[in-house]
Amino acid sequence: GQQLNQSPQSMFIQEGEDVSMNCTSSSIFNTWLWYKQDPGEGPVLLIALYKAGELTSNGRLTAQFGITRKDSFLNISASIPSDVGIYFCAGHPRIQGGSEKLVFGKGTKLTVNP
Amino acid sequence: DGGITQSPKYLFRKEGQNVTLSCEQNLNHDAMYWYRQDPGQGLRLIYYSQIVNDFQKGDIAEGYSVSREKKESFPLTVTSAQKNPTAFYLCASSIGSSGGNEQFFGPGTRLTVL
Repeated sequence: GQQLNQSPQSMFIQEGEDVSMNCTSSSIFNTWLWYKQDPGEGPVLLIALYKAGELTSNGRLTAQFGITRKDSFLNISASIPSDVGIYFCAGHPRIQGGSEKLVFGKGTKLTVNP
Repeated sequence: DGGITQSPKYLFRKEGQNVTLSCEQNLNHDAMYWYRQDPGQGLRLIYYSQIVNDFQKGDIAEGYSVSREKKESFPLTVTSAQKNPTAFYLCASSIGSSGGNEQFFGPGTRLTVL
């Protein structure tokens, strides 16, 4: 089935640093979503992208829908301790037979040292 | 407060017993989903339902069953046929085919089979 390659798998950074992570696919996606999951909780939607080239911000978070429609990245600026968690990308493939199934990356685990 | 609720948060069962996980949403969403998450893994789709009284198998449906008798509810039964049921289970919902692809998650249920 469809797969998303999310990198890096984990990141260890100092408070105040900027963070960048990305997702790539071998096929075209219509939608890119970025989620954050705290330990023991459900993922929370951070940003949704629907158009190629779209650049969207949510506070210190910025995400972009790649021009090729096969990738997306998420940037976090000036990281703070509460940014700790696992960040997942998810996408809706272009050809999916009309279903609402999403494909998920395996996540980027972020650790922020105060 | 609109949202998705899952109960219980933690569940312990003996091997060989069936167990049902609850998922309720008051977002008036048509589509609902069940995912399984194992440590260090992404989300794997178990079952999904795009409309009441209809549901489809996801990528790992073996050993699980669902029902969708009401729009608000999508319970998941983990049967004794599931070989490795200990995991974190997440329920999600989305508007459905009439809207975007954004899925919203519940807080999850951690199932431990002893």
